[in-house]
Amino acid sequence: QSALTQPPSASGSLGQSVTISCTGSSSDVGTYNYVSWYQQHPGKAPRLIIYEVTKRPSGVPDRFSGSKSGNTASLTVSGLQAEDEADYYCSSFGGLRVFGGGTKLTVL
Amino acid sequence: EVQLVESGGGFVQPGGSLRLSCAASGVTLFGYWVDWVRQAPGKGLEWVANTNPDGDEKYYMDSVKGRFTISRDNAKNSLYLEMNNLRVEDTAVYFCARNRGWFSFDLWGQGTLVTVSS
Repeated sequence: QSALTQPPSASGSLGQSVTISCTGSSSDVGTYNYVSWYQQHPGKAPRLIIYEVTKRPSGVPDRFSGSKSGNTASLTVSGLQAEDEADYYCSSFGGLRVFGGGTKLTVL
Repeated sequence: EVQLVESGGGFVQPGGSLRLSCAASGVTLFGYWVDWVRQAPGKGLEWVANTNPDGDEKYYMDSVKGRFTISRDNAKNSLYLEMNNLRVEDTAVYFCARNRGWFSFDLWGQGTLVTVSS
């Protein structure tokens, strides 16, 4: 069982917004501003899309944003596009396990 | 082109051994922590091991301690994972990843599949 808990699935319509949560504890998400998010398409390697809770690497669209409140971090994808359909994983420094269990995002 | 390229995966029987390699091109691993992350078929990401820039600090997930050894060769810009006494549950795609700090992985290889089965 992951120390970082994500919903197994999420969905949204084209053009809408969706938020994926990542719930940890005071040992990881709640203490450290070192939450990252990764996007993984089937058969591909993960891609870093958010680091240090809110920062985006070069080349990542600003439709992707991150936030944190208490022990829960969130990834918001705005203006959903078909290519956003993928698995999303959070990670955090400090916990027993590095990664959350992943969330499958479906674009309707 | 900036890339990490893993190799060395394959089919092995339980109790067998494999050595994975990860070669960096167009990018440096020097000065970075580097990690191995695996993904069992249809499952999520699982951190396996990492090593510091000098290669003298090494950390492992509990289930691979004593069986896996991570190493690096900075002169060759490469990372390795020696896997011994393999178990069926080690079956996964193994990714190498550059750790930009605090378990934030900014570069990933394409992965190499390890299948452990009798």
